Amino acid sequence: AAGVIQSPRHLIKEKRETATLKCYPIPRHDTVYWYQQGPGQDPQFLISFYEKMQSDKGSIPDRFSAQQFSDYHSELNMSSLELGDSALYFCASSFGGGGYGYTFGSGTRLTVV
Amino acid sequence: AQSVTQPDIHITVSEGASLELRCNYSYGATPYLFWYVQSPGQGLQLLLKYFSGDTLVQGIKGFEAEFKRSQSSFNLRKPSVHWSDAAEYFCAVGADFGNEKLTFGTGTRLTIIP
Repeated sequence: AAGVIQSPRHLIKEKRETATLKCYPIPRHDTVYWYQQGPGQDPQFLISFYEKMQSDKGSIPDRFSAQQFSDYHSELNMSSLELGDSALYFCASSFGGGGYGYTFGSGTRLTVV
Repeated sequence: AQSVTQPDIHITVSEGASLELRCNYSYGATPYLFWYVQSPGQGLQLLLKYFSGDTLVQGIKGFEAEFKRSQSSFNLRKPSVHWSDAAEYFCAVGADFGNEKLTFGTGTRLTIIP
């Protein structure tokens, strides 16, 4: 069965650089969620999109932006990277809301040096 | 707003012993409850989920969880743990409307001793 695909798997950036993370949801899933998980932390919700429109927003820094495209894939853009942005970034997708379950990707590990 | 509490930050059990990980949630409507497991540096794997119906749900790897509305709990259990069960376990709550996000607890780290 198709899963949620995230790319890249690993990313190393320097401070003040920009990073773009991509997420390809399961086909026919209409909602994408982004989470950030710092070392030893639980996943923190950043932002979600339903049918290409932002549906909810969590603790996402102003330096970050995201969008969902016409093919339902989503990109998380992170600018002016800081050391504290080093984390595992997960994308999840669902259909018709959480009632049908959420499927997580394997994550992108971002290291800022 | 929904919230999840996992009171135990770290639990150590002997291999072959039984296990119970606690999870309490706060949610104003009917919750959808999940348990995920995460090995170091890895992604989140769904163990089981509760939406409705039978309050005792079976999951993968021999895990089960029981939904108790009166106690706002969704504890995870396994009768006999294996060394490979050592990992971080997250309880999460979602909803059935509005494309509601998942809210995670802070996790319980499980260590297995021989």
